Amino acid sequence: DAKTTQPNSMESNEEEPVHLPCNHSTISGTDYIHWYRQLPSQGPEYVIHGLTSNVNNRMASLAIAEDRKSSTLILHRATLRDAAVYYCILRDGNQFYFGTGTSLTVIP
Amino acid sequence: DTGVSQNPRHKITKRGQNVTFRCDPISEHNRLYWYRQTLGQGPEFLTYFQNEAQLEKSRLLSDRFSAERPKGSFSTLEIQRTEQGDSAMYLCASSPGGSAYGYTFGSGTRLTVV
Repeated sequence: DAKTTQPNSMESNEEEPVHLPCNHSTISGTDYIHWYRQLPSQGPEYVIHGLTSNVNNRMASLAIAEDRKSSTLILHRATLRDAAVYYCILRDGNQFYFGTGTSLTVIP
Repeated sequence: DTGVSQNPRHKITKRGQNVTFRCDPISEHNRLYWYRQTLGQGPEFLTYFQNEAQLEKSRLLSDRFSAERPKGSFSTLEIQRTEQGDSAMYLCASSPGGSAYGYTFGSGTRLTVV
């Protein structure tokens, strides 16, 4: 059901930018691209979402490829609190289908 | 607005017993979703409601699982005759209608079947 492909894990140094990639080659024209993150023993937390244009909010930026077949979540300055599993999800009808996400490790 | 609330946070039960979990969504959200998450995996969709109507339940794992949202507000998820394989985190989420909106998740109920 998951329509996205992400690397299993990534590492980043603290206070450096992090670019988390996601491939979604079968995206339809009306699918929104959503990103969530999950800390241990907590529910997923909304990060950002977009349709076609790049999006910015206080947590992150979302860069969407022109053909929409891939996107990148950008954390501008990674902190230790950003260590989490990051999920890239396409809205499929009325529910989200999660993959296994990218586990981000932030190195002090 | 206190977010999505799930109770209990933890539940330990003996195999064969029935358990019920409660989810209180954000009050303005008419959609409510249940997910299950096992260790190392992403959340797995189970079912969802729009107001009191259960619009998708084919993903419920077996006929031992059932969910209700009687007045379109809180929801309950029941597992009958629990098995050890039911041990997992059960997550609830809510959202306003429309695909442009994201979900707000609760902190989950951790079920351990012994």
